[in-house]
Amino acid sequence: GESVGLHLPTLSVQEGDNSIINCAYSNSASDYFIWYKQESGKGPQFIIDIRSNMDKRQGQRVTVLLNKTVKHLSLQIAATQPGDSAVYFCAENFNDYKLSFGAGTTVTVRA
Amino acid sequence: GAVVSQHPSRVICKSGTSVKIECRSLDFQATTMFWYRQFPKQSLMLMATSNEGSKATYEQGVEKDKFLINHASLTLSTLTVTSAHPEDSSFYICSASGGTSYEQYFGPGTRLTVT
Repeated sequence: GESVGLHLPTLSVQEGDNSIINCAYSNSASDYFIWYKQESGKGPQFIIDIRSNMDKRQGQRVTVLLNKTVKHLSLQIAATQPGDSAVYFCAENFNDYKLSFGAGTTVTVRA
Repeated sequence: GAVVSQHPSRVICKSGTSVKIECRSLDFQATTMFWYRQFPKQSLMLMATSNEGSKATYEQGVEKDKFLINHASLTLSTLTVTSAHPEDSSFYICSASGGTSYEQYFGPGTRLTVT
């Protein structure tokens, strides 16, 4: 399944399928980007980050892609599991150590 | 490592009273702490940035006299919501940074309900 960030804030995906969550960021000067997962009633949990001098970074079951030309960031989750159900936020560093968060995408995994 | 705690996790207070929320970095020294507010089904909005021993820097639109922030040590920052009103009801989240990287470590959040 695939989301288009602000226009499709929810994503429903079948367990075992791959998920793609998209994010359009605002500041072309941003040099650091992070994906967070937030479960209901909890604080954000770090998933993966990427610096602006890279266009791809892989973690365990997750991959972040950065396209600076169109100011687009995506998070790919392989073999989505029920525990992946949460809200996912992209964040960009825009000023010193401050982070600006995107609107968030709610991911629901269907069994 | 990099654990941040918040206390309390939930608080209910009457309109007009003040509420203090604590944010602690448990296993590292946080030179910078951040306070965010999150309304239901919305994103995190940065309220203020505080550096240990200095005054907090507030984001545009955030009243510094209403949201008092103290960062007296490298492991503790407090947010006091003064004269709380029902519209201040929200999820307040702190984060902490060791200052050597951009990464922020987030606390579990505090649910404030003003009646």
